[in-house]
Amino acid sequence: GENVEQHPSTLSVQEGDSAVIKCTYSDSASNYFPWYKQELGKRPQLIIDIRSNVGEKKDQRIAVTLNKTAKHFSLHITETQPEDSAVYFCAANNQGGKLIFGQGTELSVKP
Amino acid sequence: NAGVTQTPKFQVLKTGQSMTLQCAQDMNHNSMYWYRQDPGMGLRLIYYSASEGTTDKGEVPNGYNVSRLNKREFSLRLESAAPSQTSVYFCASRSSGPDTQYFGPGTRLTVL
Repeated sequence: GENVEQHPSTLSVQEGDSAVIKCTYSDSASNYFPWYKQELGKRPQLIIDIRSNVGEKKDQRIAVTLNKTAKHFSLHITETQPEDSAVYFCAANNQGGKLIFGQGTELSVKP
Repeated sequence: NAGVTQTPKFQVLKTGQSMTLQCAQDMNHNSMYWYRQDPGMGLRLIYYSASEGTTDKGEVPNGYNVSRLNKREFSLRLESAAPSQTSVYFCASRSSGPDTQYFGPGTRLTVL
């Protein structure tokens, strides 16, 4: 079945620096790749997503890139702020509309 | 719209006790999902319901049962709770078009 690997598991950056989180997936049929942000004690919330007919998508300080040939996609956060500190999850869709999630990256932005 | 709601927010059970976690959505979504979240393991799918009247097993279904009561509600039942079921449980829903899933606030369950 589908497998999604996410790296790194923890990431610490200085405020203002960029952060990059990478994911790989195994099912070549996957065509939808969302990213969720989860603050401590809260629910996962969608921050950006990308579909397989697009190579890159941006939303203000957040961007996602997709390389279908290599089966990997990445989240890029520029000009990081303390409020970006959270756990970030990538996911890839599977048959029946299911999502397979990566293990999560704990991002810490130090002021 | 309230989106996806879950009850209860917290629950403590003793080993062997049973309970039902409730989930409801008011977005007229067809598909609903139950996940468990454990430290370092991400979100793992327990059961899902692609539409009213259908349910299917996910990645970790053992020890759980589900009921899709109607289009709005999808419940998760633990018949005989075990300490290994201590976790945070999230319900999610999805419309028939995009694959985007929207999550409820979660239920933090502890089994002693």
